[in-house]
Amino acid sequence: AQKVTQAQTEISVVEKEDVTLDCVYETRDTTYYLFWYKQPPSGELVFLIRRNSFDEQNEISGRYSWNFQKSTSSFNFTITASQVVDSAVYFCALLKAGSYQLTFGKGTKLSVIP
Amino acid sequence: EAQVTQNPRYLITVTGKKLTVTCSQNMNHEYMSWYRQDPGLGLRQIYYSMNVEVTDKGDVPEGYKVSRKEKRNFPLILESPSPNQTSLYFCASRRTGQETQYFGPGTRLLVL
Repeated sequence: AQKVTQAQTEISVVEKEDVTLDCVYETRDTTYYLFWYKQPPSGELVFLIRRNSFDEQNEISGRYSWNFQKSTSSFNFTITASQVVDSAVYFCALLKAGSYQLTFGKGTKLSVIP
Repeated sequence: EAQVTQNPRYLITVTGKKLTVTCSQNMNHEYMSWYRQDPGLGLRQIYYSMNVEVTDKGDVPEGYKVSRKEKRNFPLILESPSPNQTSLYFCASRRTGQETQYFGPGTRLLVL
């Protein structure tokens, strides 16, 4: 069975602080995909990134960066110099290769205070 | 514009009154899926469809029906809604061979 744990239920930071959202996953599969989605207060789910299990290279996109470590089964998400617009619920998710079932964590609510 | 659309976006209904939430995608995706989102539980899959006329249960299928008669549409049917089906519902789609799912805007359902 697969499982995704986002231990941080809610985080509050002051604008311009850096913040890291943790994601730990469990799977017995060797090929899988990891995702991060953002859900702003308006409610839609916005795709941020996909990583496959063979690619442990960290990725940076503007103020966003992702650290994938298979040794610790983690796929953490860092926002540098946070902004109020980053306030949202962030979901980490796992997909087994060839599967039709995306397993989500319970989400981390990030509040960025001006 | 490539997108997944859902209708209605908001719905208030009463227990037992049949309803349908529509989902449509214009990306020619083979795979479509329905999720529900509840506080503290994250998103859970209700049903999915690998292609036309091919559907299967997800984690929480009880009380729901689906059909996939056309590739672009995947309606979610609640034959006899109950208050525990009050939730935020998302439809998603993706192309076979690609792993990223794209989500619709969500439908907020309140069953009284």
